Amino acid sequence: NAGVTQTPKFQVLKTGQSMTLQCAQDMNHEYMSWYRQDPGMGLRLIHYSVGAGITDQGEVPNGYNVSRSTTEDFPLRLLSAAPSQTSVYFCASRRGGENEQFFGPGTRLTVL
Amino acid sequence: RKEVEQDPGPFNVPEGATVAFNCTYSNSASQSFFWYRQDCRKEPKLLMSVYSSGNEDGRFTAQLNRASQYISLLIRDSKLSDSATYLCVVKSPPNTGNQFYFGTGTSLTVIP
Repeated sequence: NAGVTQTPKFQVLKTGQSMTLQCAQDMNHEYMSWYRQDPGMGLRLIHYSVGAGITDQGEVPNGYNVSRSTTEDFPLRLLSAAPSQTSVYFCASRRGGENEQFFGPGTRLTVL
Repeated sequence: RKEVEQDPGPFNVPEGATVAFNCTYSNSASQSFFWYRQDCRKEPKLLMSVYSSGNEDGRFTAQLNRASQYISLLIRDSKLSDSATYLCVVKSPPNTGNQFYFGTGTSLTVIP
């Protein structure tokens, strides 16, 4: 199993540009989540999904959209990038009824 | 008030030392608690869950004090390979979304 994969690994955007961060998992996990990690802030939940077709907002959802059309994929869209969105983004998945989250390797995003 | 608070450190200890990390959480109804390990520029990985009666996994011991809303991690006989950031994680109760809240992490460097 590849586990949780994320692309790209690194990205530089200009203010106002849009882009999609990709996340996929091959473990048939129902739950998937997007977090951002900033210095001094810990990981914060952006959006999450409990299954295909179902998404909900986390702690810091503004400026981001998600969709979950399949169990495997959970893309995160930045609508109009801002410097405040410079961060490391982690995707995670877990099986329903279990607590262990499996994280992808992260995407380092810089917005100029 | 942050959901989870940790002393960021850094902790610099010699090989073979015993070191303890502490964490406090704000929601007294939280039910599930964890320690994750994050190596530099890598994704977090589950180290161990924390159970009410305390639990041990080799050189690692986790304790929970519900009355004080306090979680601890003790590492005995520190190894160079223990150098990492240790994240305290608390899962909110079902009636507040079953979300995972991460502390900012405690940095540990084990020195030869």
